[in-house]
Amino acid sequence: DQQVKQNSPSLSVQEGRISILNCDYTNSMFDYFLWYKKYPAEGPTFLISISSIKDKNEDGRFTVFLNKSAKHLSLHIVPSQPGDSAVYFCAAYTINNNDMRFGAGTRLTVKP
Amino acid sequence: DTEVTQTPKHLVMGMTNKKSLKCEQHMGHRAMYWYKQKAKKPPELMFVYSYEKLSINESVPSRFSPECPNSSLLNLHLHALQPEDSALYLCASSQDRWDRVRGKLFFGSGTQLSVL
Repeated sequence: DQQVKQNSPSLSVQEGRISILNCDYTNSMFDYFLWYKKYPAEGPTFLISISSIKDKNEDGRFTVFLNKSAKHLSLHIVPSQPGDSAVYFCAAYTINNNDMRFGAGTRLTVKP
Repeated sequence: DTEVTQTPKHLVMGMTNKKSLKCEQHMGHRAMYWYKQKAKKPPELMFVYSYEKLSINESVPSRFSPECPNSSLLNLHLHALQPEDSALYLCASSQDRWDRVRGKLFFGSGTQLSVL
């Protein structure tokens, strides 16, 4: 039962343009949503998070948007840089049962 | 030091072997985790240790046996594994288990395990 889904396995974007990574979820009880970035041969690293009571969180070039009615969140990277090329995992967390679920990841390639 | 170190990076073992995966952190974190990730699938939680005590076991088969000898070390002992257990095994740590909420998980680079 995959409660967090990333339906695009890959995305290719030109340097300087916007990258938009999408994530859908089915469990309305999630309290926090997170994005992790993973380079080859490295573990995932935390990028940005958002509480379920907010609809936007921004950190530099990275902005996460949450649409609770659509059970959808997205990560915007502006402007995209070649160093952003990595696999991005969406994750969601429920405080009550201490449960975190990950999506399968989206591979972002930023072309120079 | 903000690293979680996992050894070995690669491991090939037979179904009758006994092996151990090791994980170490020196950030003073009191929660440590084991995740399993198969290719093109999301990481799946296996175990959570909080203050050296096992707090979550996600119904993992007994052929996987975690051990937390002290607050810096987490081991995963493997015995009589099956080929379907082949996967990337990720260790992670956080300040405490509630820091996981805010995404402050630090992951190691993983051990790629192949069971023949």
